[in-house]
Amino acid sequence: DQQVKQNSPSLSVQEGRISILNCDYTNSMFDYFLWYKKYPAEGPTFLISISSIKDKNEDGRFTVFLNKSAKHLSLHIVPSQPGDSAVYFCAAQASGGSYIPTFGRGTSLIVHP
Amino acid sequence: DAGITQSPRHKVTETGTPVTLRCHQTENHRYMYWYRQDPGHGLRLIHYSYGVKDTDKGEVSDGYSVSRSKTEDFLLTLESATSSQTSVYFCAISGLAGRDTQYFGPGTRLTVL
Repeated sequence: DQQVKQNSPSLSVQEGRISILNCDYTNSMFDYFLWYKKYPAEGPTFLISISSIKDKNEDGRFTVFLNKSAKHLSLHIVPSQPGDSAVYFCAAQASGGSYIPTFGRGTSLIVHP
Repeated sequence: DAGITQSPRHKVTETGTPVTLRCHQTENHRYMYWYRQDPGHGLRLIHYSYGVKDTDKGEVSDGYSVSRSKTEDFLLTLESATSSQTSVYFCAISGLAGRDTQYFGPGTRLTVL
């Protein structure tokens, strides 16, 4: 059973608009969350993270929001750029466990010029 | 960029043959991981290592074995390759479990005919 779910396999957005990528988790032990970005034929790269003691973390155009009660997090990209077109993976870790991250299946974002 | 290389980058092999993929790091990170990426499945953990000669299974470990005789090298072996093991394989490293991001290698595309 998936503990980290990215229910939208793909998302298409116009350049300059906001992209919102969603991620849901089921394990209440998860307390640290990360987003990775992956271009074709390359390995994933770290984008942004958030600890469960926060509800928002911002880095330039990227903001991650965490709603612990809903077990939901989202990644906002504003404004979206064509270079943001990639697959985005959500990952979650638990301090009290093995710390090994659990990944979602990814969302493919396409930003149209 | 973290110093992680994978070899080979591409391999085509036949069912039943043994295959070994190599991951090499120059970062002296303690943790190393092997993932496979398949359409619709995201990143799935095969095996990981938390030190020299210390390894453990991930969620899709059947048919795979690993070895780590040096800090910098983590080998993934398919004892008898099957077509279901056709995939893109990523190695990752991290310095600490928990609050540490992973750095991924460029990937190895393996095709089993």
